[in-house]
Amino acid sequence: NAGVTQTPKFQVLKTGQSMTLQCAQDMNHEYMSWYRQDPGMGLRLIHYSVGAGITDQGEVPNGYNVSRSTTEDFPLRLLSAAPSQTSVYFCASSERGGTFPYEQYFGPGTRLTVT
Amino acid sequence: QQQVKQSPQSLIVQKGGISIINCAYENTAFDYFPWYQQFPGKGPALLIAIRPDVSEKKEGRFTISFNKSAKQFSLHIMDSQPGDSATYFCAASRVDNYGQNFVFGPGTRLSVLP
Repeated sequence: NAGVTQTPKFQVLKTGQSMTLQCAQDMNHEYMSWYRQDPGMGLRLIHYSVGAGITDQGEVPNGYNVSRSTTEDFPLRLLSAAPSQTSVYFCASSERGGTFPYEQYFGPGTRLTVT
Repeated sequence: QQQVKQSPQSLIVQKGGISIINCAYENTAFDYFPWYQQFPGKGPALLIAIRPDVSEKKEGRFTISFNKSAKQFSLHIMDSQPGDSATYFCAASRVDNYGQNFVFGPGTRLSVLP
């Protein structure tokens, strides 16, 4: 199993550009989430999902869209990039109804810089 | 608004010592409290977790102490090793109709000196 994969690993955008961060998992996990990590802020939840067609906003959703058409994929779209969106983005997945300790698996991250 | 508070921000411990990181949460709807370990350039990885019906969970050198009435929980690392040097995050989670909603603390950077 590849686990949770994210592409690209690095990206530089100009203010106002749009792009999609890709996330895929091959563990047949229903739960998937997107986080951003900024120094001193920990990980903050952007959007999360329980399955195809079902998503909700987390703590910091502004400027981001998601859609989930399959169990495996959960792309994150930046609509109009702003310097405040410079961050490291992590995708994660976990099994619905799994056994304790309900492990959440993280991808390797995408480092995004907006100039 | 930080729903999960974590302290200290950084911690330096001698090899063989005890590392203690404290967290506090506000929302009593949380029902799952994991700790994650993160090395530079990597994604976080689950270290140990506890449910609120248990006051202590031990796995090897790592122990979670949980105080439901105080809404606090802590991670104790016994016999700390240089390989434990990493950033540690506490988190609190609940499941709703849309998935698993996690809130993370801001993190503690642990350095274990040889």
